[in-house]
Amino acid sequence: SQKIEQNSEALNIQEGKTATLTCNYTNYSPAYLQWYRQDPGRGPVFLLLIRENEKEKRKERLKVTFDTTLKQSLFHITASQPADSATYLCALGDYKLSFGAGTTVTVRA
Amino acid sequence: DSGVTQTPKHLITATGQRVTLRCSPRSGDLSVYWYQQSLDQGLQFLIQYYNGEERAKGNILERFSAQQFPDLHSELNLSSLELGDSALYFCASSGPSGTTNTGELFFGEGSRLTVL
Repeated sequence: SQKIEQNSEALNIQEGKTATLTCNYTNYSPAYLQWYRQDPGRGPVFLLLIRENEKEKRKERLKVTFDTTLKQSLFHITASQPADSATYLCALGDYKLSFGAGTTVTVRA
Repeated sequence: DSGVTQTPKHLITATGQRVTLRCSPRSGDLSVYWYQQSLDQGLQFLIQYYNGEERAKGNILERFSAQQFPDLHSELNLSSLELGDSALYFCASSGPSGTTNTGELFFGEGSRLTVL
């Protein structure tokens, strides 16, 4: 069956450090992969989309890599800030976009 | 503000009842998606509509149904409610990309359903 797995443990990091989140998938052949941010009780907000022919994509302090051989995406938040504290979700699929369970990041000041 | 509007924001009802959740997509978006998020499960895809037609179905219970109207708003109907149906229900929309979703989803703020 299809699975999307993200770091099961919450991530606690010091302000200014880099947070690295992992998204692994099985039984998908995605043309692209997306990352979203979700704050408690709010709807997810789109952050980045990376296509299968793109190895890396950046947006401000965010960086995403996509390795279709390893079936893995890494999501990096550099120079992290307390405002980055949230749950980050990876998502893939075509007609039915499926989400991982998310990784909760807490950035300590 | 994503531009996606969901009503009601909160709903408390009893087991066995029926409720309707409403979603207005972003202006110009043809696709509407419904997701369920409960505490012990992540975002679960329920169903997608594109320009009034059902496009994809996920793990949607037979007690649940949805439709998209000609003005593109969508409704999710939940009937014979059970305690386990208590969850946040999100609607999302995406742009007029045709037959496949190659773009981002814009989520509403959700409808929190509590079944007592």
